[in-house]
Amino acid sequence: GAVVSQHPSWVICKSGTSVKIECRSLDFQATTMFWYRQFPKQSLMLMATSNEGSKATYEQGVEKDKFLINHASLTLSTLTVTSAHPEDSSFYICSAPIDRSSYEQYFGPGTRLTVT
Amino acid sequence: KQEVTQIPAALSVPEGENLVLNCSFTDSAIYNLQWFRQDPGKGLTSLLLIQSSQREQTSGRLNASLDKSSGRSTLYIAASQPGDSATYLCAAVSGNTPLVFGKGTRLSVIA
Repeated sequence: GAVVSQHPSWVICKSGTSVKIECRSLDFQATTMFWYRQFPKQSLMLMATSNEGSKATYEQGVEKDKFLINHASLTLSTLTVTSAHPEDSSFYICSAPIDRSSYEQYFGPGTRLTVT
Repeated sequence: KQEVTQIPAALSVPEGENLVLNCSFTDSAIYNLQWFRQDPGKGLTSLLLIQSSQREQTSGRLNASLDKSSGRSTLYIAASQPGDSATYLCAAVSGNTPLVFGKGTRLSVIA
């Protein structure tokens, strides 16, 4: 079945530094990928839609200059959290739709970010 | 704007019981309804996907139903096992928003 990977699985960084998270589709091409954020005991909230070869579309309230998304190939999207702060500590999950008509999505295993 | 609600928020049952998790959504114009399982600190595992034209889907001990007109979906788990303990999330796809998630139901199956 379709597999989506994320790297790293967890990362600890100091406040003010930047962190890059990778999302890869391993056995299929994904022109679109989605980035979600999940705070403890909360649901997943869509942050942005990553489009291969074009600019990402951000959800309302998500700062595009803080969460930089690059989708340079059909199998890789990256999310860079710039100038990270403790409130950015969260679980970041990416997904990719396998079927555009059904929107069925495959999810990566997630990245736990802790900003100290 | 689509909103998804799941009840109960938490559920604890003895092993072997059959149980039902509920999911409701406000906008019935959905493309599909997807149920996921999430273990603590882990990503999502897709359990069942119900297309808008379907009424139910089954996979092993799991059965999910969809009633678009009432804006409801249920996940039925038969003969629950301790390994079923996890958070179960439902998500609706409608409009231009890919997935809108409920807050989940935390299930504990006690041996």
